[in-house]
Amino acid sequence: AQSVTQPDIHITVSEGASLELRCNYSYGATPYLFWYVQSPGQGLQLLLKYFSGDTLVQGIKGIEAEFKRSQSSFNLRKPSVHWSDAAEYFCAVATPGGGNKLTFGTGTQLKVEL
Amino acid sequence: EAGVTQFPSHSVIEKGQTVTLRCDPISGHDNLYWYRRVMGKEIKFLLHFVKESKQDESGMPNNRFLAERTGGTYSTLKVQPAELEDSGVYFCASSQDYRGEQYFGPGTRLTVT
Repeated sequence: AQSVTQPDIHITVSEGASLELRCNYSYGATPYLFWYVQSPGQGLQLLLKYFSGDTLVQGIKGIEAEFKRSQSSFNLRKPSVHWSDAAEYFCAVATPGGGNKLTFGTGTQLKVEL
Repeated sequence: EAGVTQFPSHSVIEKGQTVTLRCDPISGHDNLYWYRRVMGKEIKFLLHFVKESKQDESGMPNNRFLAERTGGTYSTLKVQPAELEDSGVYFCASSQDYRGEQYFGPGTRLTVT
């Protein structure tokens, strides 16, 4: 069965600093890969997704993620964090042909210091 | 365009009682998913509807959970009887096709005391 690991439960960065959130997955082939964000009181919002092709994916809010097959990773990066980026971030995978049901990591809570 | 809505936003019930959660997907979305997040754990898949049919219910924890999707529109998730371990946040999501983006609702926080 596939699984997703987000090793950092909490991360604190200063506003303006760069951000990298780690995600590793376990699956026999290349799954579909996603990053979602949840702000307080809101539903999960899709930031970006990877199905195939270019391994560097651009998303909304200036975010990008890079798929590295050799490391089974899909890390999210943002060059400069804003206070409004404080939220919980989830990495997720889906099995191609598997109905698109998502398997999530445990989430990373991002705190931004002003 | 209205997003995915869920009702209620929060429910507190006693062990042994029944609770019904409702999800209204985005109009025209055939695919509807239920997920659950127990405190401190990851969000887990419960089941997937395509229109009114259950496509995949492999994540349903036990037979105390019953999901329906009337006429392929809104969906309900009933827990009967509720147990303490059922506490958590229940999310609903919908998508237009099976590879499409899943749009999530804000969730229903269920507390069983």
